[in-house]
Amino acid sequence: KNQVEQSPQSLIILEGKNCTLQCNYTVSPFSNLRWYKQDTGRGPVSLTIMTFSENTKSNGRYTATLDADTKQSSLHITASQLSDSASYICVVSATGTASKLTFGTGTRLQVTL
Amino acid sequence: DTEVTQTPKHLVMGMTNKKSLKCEQHMGHRAMYWYKQKAKKPPELMFVYSYEKLSINESVPSRFSPECPNSSLLNLHLHALQPEDSALYLCASSQGILLEKLFFGSGTQLSVL
Repeated sequence: KNQVEQSPQSLIILEGKNCTLQCNYTVSPFSNLRWYKQDTGRGPVSLTIMTFSENTKSNGRYTATLDADTKQSSLHITASQLSDSASYICVVSATGTASKLTFGTGTRLQVTL
Repeated sequence: DTEVTQTPKHLVMGMTNKKSLKCEQHMGHRAMYWYKQKAKKPPELMFVYSYEKLSINESVPSRFSPECPNSSLLNLHLHALQPEDSALYLCASSQGILLEKLFFGSGTQLSVL
């Protein structure tokens, strides 16, 4: 069964600090891995999409890594801001599944003063 | 225009009511989706339309009825809902049905009384 597990479940950090969120998946055959940011009560917004051949991808203060061998990904947030407070969802797509995606349960990040 | 617009943002309805959720995109995307998301849970796929034809129905109860009048619009007709149907309903679109980036709307927060 395709699964995506994220850790930690929740995280509180001080503004200006860095943090790293983890994603482990068992989706096969792997197509791509996406990180989304979702504010409470709003739709998810795409941060990065990574395919099998990509190890690192950055989007501003967000940097995602992918290790397709160990089936792990991380999302590193640099110099956190209060506006980074949200849920971060890891989503993995398998090939040949006609748009079906496996969503992780997300990491709830709270950035405080 | 890179937005997916959903209306209404909030909806409260009784179990005997009939209501509709609307979704619109003008990015020329040919795939559109309905997701249901309960609090602190990942989105669950309900329906996928590809080229205005229903391609995936994730065994959704018939009290939810999707409609795709044209390539830019997606509706979700609601009738005789149950309180457990209360959730955030998300519309999304993508260029095609495989691999592409999903663009989500802000969602409709539905409460069934």
